This record gives sequence, C-alpha cells and structure tokens, in this order.
Amino acid sequence: NAGVTQTPKFQVLKTGQSMTLQCAQDMNHEYMSWYRQDPGMGLRLIHYSVGAGITDQGEVPNGYNVSRSTTEDFPLRLLSAAPSQTSVYFCASKILASSSYEQYFGPGTRLTVT
Amino acid sequence: KQEVTQIPAALSVPEGENLVLNCSFTDSAIYNLQWFRQDPGKGLTSLLLIQSSQREQTSGRLNASLDKSSGRSTLYIAASQPGDSATYLCAVSRGTSGSRLTFGEGTQLTVNP
Repeated sequence: NAGVTQTPKFQVLKTGQSMTLQCAQDMNHEYMSWYRQDPGMGLRLIHYSVGAGITDQGEVPNGYNVSRSTTEDFPLRLLSAAPSQTSVYFCASKILASSSYEQYFGPGTRLTVT
Repeated sequence: KQEVTQIPAALSVPEGENLVLNCSFTDSAIYNLQWFRQDPGKGLTSLLLIQSSQREQTSGRLNASLDKSSGRSTLYIAASQPGDSATYLCAVSRGTSGSRLTFGEGTQLTVNP
C-alpha cells in the first residue's frame, strides 16, 4: 500500500490564483480530512468527509472547498488564494468503524501565497 | 472548545536519558488520544493510540498514559537515542468514531550523542 499520498509537495501561488491540492489513499478508508499546520497554532482541521458524497466543515473552512466523489480521493480547492493561506497542508485518513483505529497522514504540501 | 497544551515546547537531553513529555486537554469528553512523531519537513507518524477507557499503551521504548478525568497524558521515552529527535504531537479526538482531532503544538525533542 502507498498509504496516503499528496501532490504537489511544494507550490507557490500569487494572490487570487486558484489551485487544487490532491490527496489519495489506497487503504479503503471511509474517513478523510484536511489539516493545515502553522507555527504556534498546531494542526487545525479544515474539512472532513465520512464517505463518498459526504463532506463537512472543520474549524477553519473559510477559503477552501472540498468534494468526495470516490472513496480514494479527497481534493482540497483554494478558489482565490490569499497570503493567510500560506501553510503546510496535511491530508489524513482512517477506518471509520471504531475509535480504536489510528489516523494515517500524508507527507504534506507546503504552500506559499505571495 | 477543546484546547490541548504540550509542555515543554522544547527539550534537549543527552543520549540514554529517560524522559517524559506532557499533554493536557480541557474537555475530558474524548474518544481517544494519539501521540504522533513529526520529523522536519515530513508528515505525521502515529506512535500510540489510547482509547478513552484505557490507562496506558506501550510500544517498544515508548509508554503513553492517559488520565481522562484530570485531562492529562504523558509519553515516556526510555533510554533515548539521537534517532528519537523529532517533534512529538498529541491529539485528542471527538466526532464520529473519534475522527476529528484537536492537536497540541508539540514538543521539539533533541537527543544529543
């Protein structure tokens, strides 16, 4: 299994540009989520999904859109990038059936918005 | 709102020392608590998961304890090695099957040879 994969690893955007951060997992996990990590603030939940066709907002959803058309993929869209979205973005997944299952994280995408 | 605090923010120890990292949380209504390791520029690797009904979990040189009523967890690392140098994050869970995590800011550990 490749686990949780994210592309790209690095990205530089200009203010106002749009882009999609890709996330895929090959473990057939129902639950997928996106976090951002900022110095002094830890990781914060942006959006999450409990299955194909079902998404919901986390703590910091403004400026981001998600959709889940398949179990494997959970892309994160920035519609109009802002410097405040400069961060490291992590995708995670887990089996939903029980709280005894751990979460698996991808390697991250480092995004800079100028 | 759940808040997770990790103390100390940074720790530097000589090789071989036993050490304890601390994590506290404000809301005891959690499903589980996870400890993660993060190496510079990398993703998170799960180390230990403690269910809310459990008191501790062990994996090799690592032992994590949970006192839900007092809102505290500790990660004990025995006989530390330079390869243990990393940032250690704790996260508590809520939501469906404990899926939504609230993280602390982490403890940056340096183990000196």
